[in-house]
Amino acid sequence: GAVVSQHPSRVICKSGTSVKIECRSLDFQATTMFWYRQFPKQSLMLMATSNEGSKATYEQGVEKDKFLINHASLTLSTLTVTSAHPEDSSFYICSATGFDGYTFGSGTRLTVV
Amino acid sequence: GENVEQHPSTLSVQEGDSAVIKCTYSDSASNYFPWYKQELGKRPQLIIDIRSNVGEKKDQRIAVTLNKTAKHFSLHITETQPEDSAVYFCAASRRDSSYKLIFGSGTRLLVRP
Repeated sequence: GAVVSQHPSRVICKSGTSVKIECRSLDFQATTMFWYRQFPKQSLMLMATSNEGSKATYEQGVEKDKFLINHASLTLSTLTVTSAHPEDSSFYICSATGFDGYTFGSGTRLTVV
Repeated sequence: GENVEQHPSTLSVQEGDSAVIKCTYSDSASNYFPWYKQELGKRPQLIIDIRSNVGEKKDQRIAVTLNKTAKHFSLHITETQPEDSAVYFCAASRRDSSYKLIFGSGTRLLVRP
């Protein structure tokens, strides 16, 4: 079946630094990638939608200059959290379409200290 | 914008009893309604889905019903087992357009042995 590989699974970074999260579709072309954020005991909140080769569309309230999304190829999308702060600590997860339904990455637990 | 409401937020049942989780959606163009089970720190796992051209779908102990007129869909789990304990999310999308998947707020199900 379709697989999306997400890395890293866990990352701890210092406040003010940037962190890049990578999602790669292994056996299909991901025409669209969705990025979600999930705080403890809450739902998956959509942050942005990206299509290969075009700028991402951000949901209301999500800072596009803080959460940089790149979808330069049909198999790779990245989310960079710039100048991370403790309130950015969360579970980030990507989801790709392009094969059959929505295929989720395994998630990244980001902790900003 | 699009919104999916989910109830109840927590549900505790005795092993062997049935569990029902209900969702309503706001986007009348939604045509795809998946249900996910998520364990702590893991990716959502698709357990069943339904498209708008059918009213009911069943897979062993799990069933989903859809009322398009009321914009309402439900998850039914029969003969619950302790391993069914998890957080369940409903979601809605206009899937044919690789449209974004919007999640409900989640239901924490506890099955008491």
